[in-house]
Amino acid sequence: AQKITQTQPGMFVQEKEAVTLDCTYDTSDPSYGLFWYKQPSSGEMIFLIYQGSYDQQNATEGRYSLNFQKARKSANLVISASQLGDSAMYFCAMREASSGNTPLVFGKGTRLSVIA
Amino acid sequence: GAGVSQTPSNKVTEKGKYVELRCDPISGHTALYWYRQSLGQGPEFLIYFQGTGAADDSGLPNDRFFAVRPEGSVSTLKIQRTERGDSAVYLCASSRGTGQTQYFGPGTRLLVL
Repeated sequence: AQKITQTQPGMFVQEKEAVTLDCTYDTSDPSYGLFWYKQPSSGEMIFLIYQGSYDQQNATEGRYSLNFQKARKSANLVISASQLGDSAMYFCAMREASSGNTPLVFGKGTRLSVIA
Repeated sequence: GAGVSQTPSNKVTEKGKYVELRCDPISGHTALYWYRQSLGQGPEFLIYFQGTGAADDSGLPNDRFFAVRPEGSVSTLKIQRTERGDSAVYLCASSRGTGQTQYFGPGTRLLVL
């Protein structure tokens, strides 16, 4: 079974609008962490936001927020006020305490295109 | 401060050749990770170092792949007898310690002809 599922291969959003990128995960470990990374065409993976499984509040970092619904095992990324520079691939990833909290398992990604 | 750096940025080689890919982590980061990203996929874990030792090499696909980190800083990923299926982007990441956020380098694009 896929540990991380990103069901949207591609998304379009109008500049200045908000967009939600979906991520669902599968784990039986009570302790885990969820990450979102941005990968522009240059190839570098840029860390955006982190949510721990025991965190009571949804994580926020500037225009990025994580809609964490633990019971549904979803960790959707919300980008507010989209900018042209947000066009990139976005990857959801998870690490589990049972695997030593080290290797990240990534989804297949969502390509976001911001339209002027 | 400087981020993770990787050299070369691109490498073209012929099937059967040996290649070395280098990663220079963020200064002070004790943990270092290698991932491989095939076209259209997310990165896949290869190996993790804590200090000089390989703490987890469960992601290495076979014994043609080997990595070292002799002084606990720079790491080299070595691929022997390269095959066309090894063509991918090899990403390196580092973190302050185990379980901390991983920061990635720009990757090395390897093409095996």
